[in-house]
Amino acid sequence: DAKTTQPNSMESNEEEPVHLPCNHSTISGTDYIHWYRQLPSQGPEYVIHGLTSNVNNRMASLAIAEDRKSSTLILHRATLRDAAVYYCILRDSGNTGKLIFGQGTTLQVKP
Amino acid sequence: EAQVTQNPRYLITVTGKKLTVTCSQNMNHEYMSWYRQDPGLGLRQIYYSMNVEVTDKGDVPEGYKVSRKEKRNFPLILESPSPNQTSLYFCASGDRGHNIQYFGAGTRLSVL
Repeated sequence: DAKTTQPNSMESNEEEPVHLPCNHSTISGTDYIHWYRQLPSQGPEYVIHGLTSNVNNRMASLAIAEDRKSSTLILHRATLRDAAVYYCILRDSGNTGKLIFGQGTTLQVKP
Repeated sequence: EAQVTQNPRYLITVTGKKLTVTCSQNMNHEYMSWYRQDPGLGLRQIYYSMNVEVTDKGDVPEGYKVSRKEKRNFPLILESPSPNQTSLYFCASGDRGHNIQYFGAGTRLSVL
């Protein structure tokens, strides 16, 4: 399974955009890039996923580099409720559904 | 509302006393899975099930059993719990493509 590298922690101010980076230099052509987040005392929550093209949904945007070796999760206006651990995960389209969670990035949002 | 429900949320037990953690989903998902989360080790998959009567080992299956008799339920069974199974457990379910997985709120287990 390909690995991802994320910063341990990041800080943001409330109502400002947040860019959470993820490096995945060993990504294969069939790996999807998934993002989940885990709020304090809760289970992980799906955020977004993509393969090659940039993706947008109501929660966030996912910007994928042209060579797919890195990606960025974008929260357009951070709120206090966005404080969580964010996990960048690669998942093979043919695999068993297993999500391999790394250490993630702990996002702190300041009022 | 789409939900994965785990029970109990908290459990303290003693070594060797069999226990079951239940997991139920209301989304008609075929795929279900159990993870444990430990400090410094992240979330690791214990068992998964691709459909009714189909289960398979994940990365850390030792000391656990599961069953999938119905689509909606996927209980996790600890026949003889030991202190090293003290952990936070999460159940998850996903659709056939399992692109989006939904997680329960977690069960915090302490084995004394």
